[in-house]
Amino acid sequence: AQSVAQPEDQVNVAEGNPLTVKCTYSVSGNPYLFWYVQYPNRGLQFLLKYITGDNLVKGSYGFEAEFNKSQTSFHLKKPSALVSDSALYFCAVRDQENNDMRFGAGTRLTVKP
Amino acid sequence: EAQVTQNPRYLITVTGKKLTVTCSQNMNHEYMSWYRQDPGLGLRQIYYSMNVEVTDKGDVPEGYKVSRKEKRNFPLILESPSPNQTSLYFCASSLILAGSYEQYFGPGTRLTVT
Repeated sequence: AQSVAQPEDQVNVAEGNPLTVKCTYSVSGNPYLFWYVQYPNRGLQFLLKYITGDNLVKGSYGFEAEFNKSQTSFHLKKPSALVSDSALYFCAVRDQENNDMRFGAGTRLTVKP
Repeated sequence: EAQVTQNPRYLITVTGKKLTVTCSQNMNHEYMSWYRQDPGLGLRQIYYSMNVEVTDKGDVPEGYKVSRKEKRNFPLILESPSPNQTSLYFCASSLILAGSYEQYFGPGTRLTVT
């Protein structure tokens, strides 16, 4: 079965600095990979996905993620963090061979002014 | 407006009292799913449905039931709730097209079982 690891519970960055939220995955076949964001008292919102093609995927709010097959990683990045980016971020994976989803435990991003 | 709705948003109940959390989507999505969110564990899938009358177990199905009689609705049923089912529950839906699997999430239902 597939699995996802987000090795950092918490990431702190200063506003204007680049940010990275890490994600590694394990699947038996080819992965579909996703990033979602959760703001306080809200449901999850889709940010971006990797299905196939270019390893660098661009998404909402200036976020991007790089798919690295050899390292089985899909790290989320943004060149310049905003205070409003502070939220809980989830990486998710689905094996193309089956239909269930696996989410990571989440990483809380705090951007300080 | 395209959305997933859940009711109720907050529920406090007692052990053993049957309850149902409703979920409805207005996007004509084939795929629907229920998750529970617990601190440090992220989201864990309870059940999912690929279409009407087709449901499958996720990671943590014990103690839960679902049904998919209509495409738009996917209720979650707790026949005999227990305190370990206290959690934040999310319903989600998506299309089933190659590559189009991003999910739309409801606002969540916070359940407390005493």
